[in-house]
This record gives sequence, structure tokens and C-alpha cells, in this order.
Amino acid sequence: EAQVTQNPRYLITVTGKKLTVTCSQNMNHEYMSWYRQDPGLGLRQIYYSMNVEVTDKGDVPEGYKVSRKEKRNFPLILESPSPNQTSLYFCASSSSRGGSSGRWNEQFFGPGTRLTVL
Amino acid sequence: AQSVTQLGSHVSVSEGALVLLRCNYSSSVPPYLFWYVQYPNQGLQLLLKYTSAATLVKGINGFEAEFKKSETSFHLTKPSAHMSDAAEYFCAVSPTSYDKVIFGPGTSLSVIP
Repeated sequence: EAQVTQNPRYLITVTGKKLTVTCSQNMNHEYMSWYRQDPGLGLRQIYYSMNVEVTDKGDVPEGYKVSRKEKRNFPLILESPSPNQTSLYFCASSSSRGGSSGRWNEQFFGPGTRLTVL
Repeated sequence: AQSVTQLGSHVSVSEGALVLLRCNYSSSVPPYLFWYVQYPNQGLQLLLKYTSAATLVKGINGFEAEFKKSETSFHLTKPSAHMSDAAEYFCAVSPTSYDKVIFGPGTSLSVIP
């Protein structure tokens, strides 16, 4: 089954304790992205990756790190979490540039990770 | 910079009534446009997308949206609401030149029996 998986689904942690949220897709997608969802703000992009070893900042990258060593995995790292990073996080993937038409393809979303930083 | 606005953070309709969720975008060129739906405690899934092939786009679950360049709008409609349509709906825009998607703030749809 084609899917994007995230782990953990729920996490409660304390300020300053490093954590990693994993994201994996089995669709051989080139493009992967992390979003955070906050009430009234919709989804805001944190980081994205167009392929292995290629990452770039989204709209709200401060306090986050990512890596893309393998095509299927795109972990999100919070080196020193703070309470303002309490949010619902989504990983997404898509096939880059939609083939010969050059059109943007559908993003497939993971189930989300609800993070609480105390 | 591109942006997306969705008029109405919360919309309530009666079961069987017309659903209309509004989306306006700002862009210097015609972008790619999307509607996503998020059911409670789930991730987002694509309802439909506009990629310049046709201005009226049909999606899943009876939804459709019309791209109006003159109004920079991409409103989502469904002729008859069903209880299962209750969810959060997000309009999104992507520029033509690179792989970035900007989401609107979302509209929560309630369906009243």
C-alpha cells in the first residue's frame, strides 16, 4: 500500500530535550516536505527536499533541522525544542514535476505527529 | 509572493444544501491550485487540482471547483451536502516554477442534520 508513515504519532517532551520525528514514504517520490499545522494558520512549510541531499527552507524553518540521506526518509529534528513548537506536524511526499508535462503532482500526507513541548 | 485566503473560517450548511467554500489567491501568473480535505484526526488528502487543462475541475466525493482568472478565485462547491462532508478544507496554491505549496488557513465545514 502506497503511504507516508510518521513516528511517533504523539509525543510529549520537555524544553531542550532533542527529538526526532521520522518520516518514510514507499512511493519512490523525489519531493518530501514537512509542515506544521496550527489553529487559524493552516499549514506552514518548515523544510522541503527535492531529492537526496537536496533540502531547502520553507516558511518557518527556525528551530528545525532536516536531512535527506535516503530517498524514502526525511526526518525532522528539533535540537532544542521550545513550547512554541507545540503543534501538529505533517510529512508529505510527491513525485517531482509530474513527469513530462512538468506539472505539480498530488502531495501524499502522513497521518500527523502531535507534539507537545512543556 | 503568493498567498491564499479563504473567506470564512467556519461554514455551516444543512444536509442536502449547497456547499460553497471560497478561495482567493494572489499570483502574478496563473498558478496550480488545489483543494485538500482533512477529516478529524487524519492527514490531508487531495480533493481536486487545477493545472490549466480546464477551468472547471471535478474532484472526488462530488466536489468541483471553478478557476476564474479575472476574480483570482478557485471556489469549491458541492450541490448537496452530506453528513460525511464535515471536515476541514484547505485551498492551496503552487507557483509554476518550483516545488512549493502554500496553504490557506482552512475552512471548517459543519453539516447540520
